[in-house]
Amino acid sequence: AQSVTQPDIHITVSEGASLELRCNYSYGATPYLFWYVQSPGQGLQLLLKYFSGDTLVQGIKGFEAEFKRSQSSFNLRKPSVHWSDAAEYFCAVGANYGQNFVFGPGTRLSVLP
Amino acid sequence: EAQVTQNPRYLITVTGKKLTVTCSQNMNHEYMSWYRQDPGLGLRQIYYSMNVEVTDKGDVPEGYKVSRKEKRNFPLILESPSPNQTSLYFCASSGRLAGLRDTQYFGPGTRLTVL
Repeated sequence: AQSVTQPDIHITVSEGASLELRCNYSYGATPYLFWYVQSPGQGLQLLLKYFSGDTLVQGIKGFEAEFKRSQSSFNLRKPSVHWSDAAEYFCAVGANYGQNFVFGPGTRLSVLP
Repeated sequence: EAQVTQNPRYLITVTGKKLTVTCSQNMNHEYMSWYRQDPGLGLRQIYYSMNVEVTDKGDVPEGYKVSRKEKRNFPLILESPSPNQTSLYFCASSGRLAGLRDTQYFGPGTRLTVL
């Protein structure tokens, strides 16, 4: 069965600093990988997704993620964090169109002024 | 505007009183799912539907029922709610678009409390 781990429960960074959120997955076939963001009291917004092709994926809000098959990882990065990036971030893996979709436990990001 | 709507947004009920949370999407998506979100566990899939009259269990289906009689609607039914079903629930939909792989769109969530 597929699974997703996000080793960091909570991360705090200063505004303007770089960010990397870690995600590791376990999946039998070629994975479809996603990063979602959830602001307090809000639903989930898709940041980016990887299905195939270029392993460096660009998303919205200046985020990018790199798929590394050898490490079973899909880490999310941003070069300069803004205060508005404070939220909870979820990595997910799944088959097509939501079938057997599995989310990680989430990483809460706090941003210091 | 393309969206997934859920009703109600907030619900407090008592153990054993049947309830339904509705979900509707206006994007003509074939695929719809229900998730529950609990602290430290992320989102876990309850049920999944690939099209009208086609549903399948997710990771945590016990205590829930679903139906898909129309393409746009995917209600979640709790026949006899229990306190361990207190959670935040999300509905999501996705679909095939001109041969391109699509992604899941999430509703705003329903916060359910079972006393």
